[in-house]
Amino acid sequence: RKEVEQDPGPFNVPEGATVAFNCTYSNSASQSFFWYRQDCRKEPKLLMSVYSSGNEDGRFTAQLNRASQYISLLIRDSKLSDSATYLCVPERRAGSYQLTFGKGTKLSVIP
Amino acid sequence: DGGITQSPKYLFRKEGQNVTLSCEQNLNHDAMYWYRQDPGQGLRLIYYSQIVNDFQKGDIAEGYSVSREKKESFPLTVTSAQKNPTAFYLCASSPTPIRVGNTEAFFGQGTRLTVV
Repeated sequence: RKEVEQDPGPFNVPEGATVAFNCTYSNSASQSFFWYRQDCRKEPKLLMSVYSSGNEDGRFTAQLNRASQYISLLIRDSKLSDSATYLCVPERRAGSYQLTFGKGTKLSVIP
Repeated sequence: DGGITQSPKYLFRKEGQNVTLSCEQNLNHDAMYWYRQDPGQGLRLIYYSQIVNDFQKGDIAEGYSVSREKKESFPLTVTSAQKNPTAFYLCASSPTPIRVGNTEAFFGQGTRLTVV
C-alpha cells in the first residue's frame, strides 16, 4: 500500500456546492496531517493542519478517521477561487525527515 | 521578510548540459527538500537534508546531485545523466520538530526547467 493515496479527480462542482475528498494513509502511527492547496503552476501552500480528530476553519473542515486510516477535507459553499489541487501530507515517520505528499485531488468549481 | 527563494523561475538547458537550481532560505530551518513535479502529477522527492553537510536520497535521486554546505542553501544540480529533466522543481524547508511530526513545509516559488 502506498504511503499516501488520493483520488485524483477532477471533482467538478457548481458554485455553492459542498464537496469532500479523502486521503488514505498507510502508517497507522501517524498522529498529524496537513492539507496543502496548489494552484496551477504555483507552489503548494498550507491550507490546514490536523492534529487530533479534526479541524475546522471557516468553510473548510478536515476530519481524521484513525480506524479506517483516512482523512477527509470538506469544503462548504464552494467558491470559484477554491479551484485548485489539494494535497495531503502525513507527518514524518519517527526518525525520518522525509515528507511524502499525496498526488493530490483536483477541484474545479464551475459558475 | 523570512522566506524561501528559488532562482531562476524559468530555466532552459541544452541536452547534455548540467544545470544548477538555487534554493535559499532565511527561516533558520534545519530540513530542506527538493521535489520534482510533472504536468498533472504529484510531488516526487529527489533529495532531502536534515542538517548541514548531510543529505539523503529520495525516491528519484538518479541524475541529480545536491550539496548542503550552509544551513541556508540547498542547491540542486540536474546532470546530463537525468534522461527526462523537463519539469517543475520545488524546494521546501521545514523546522526541526520538537517531536516527530507537526511541522509544515514552506515552499519556494519553483523553477520551471525546460530542456531544448
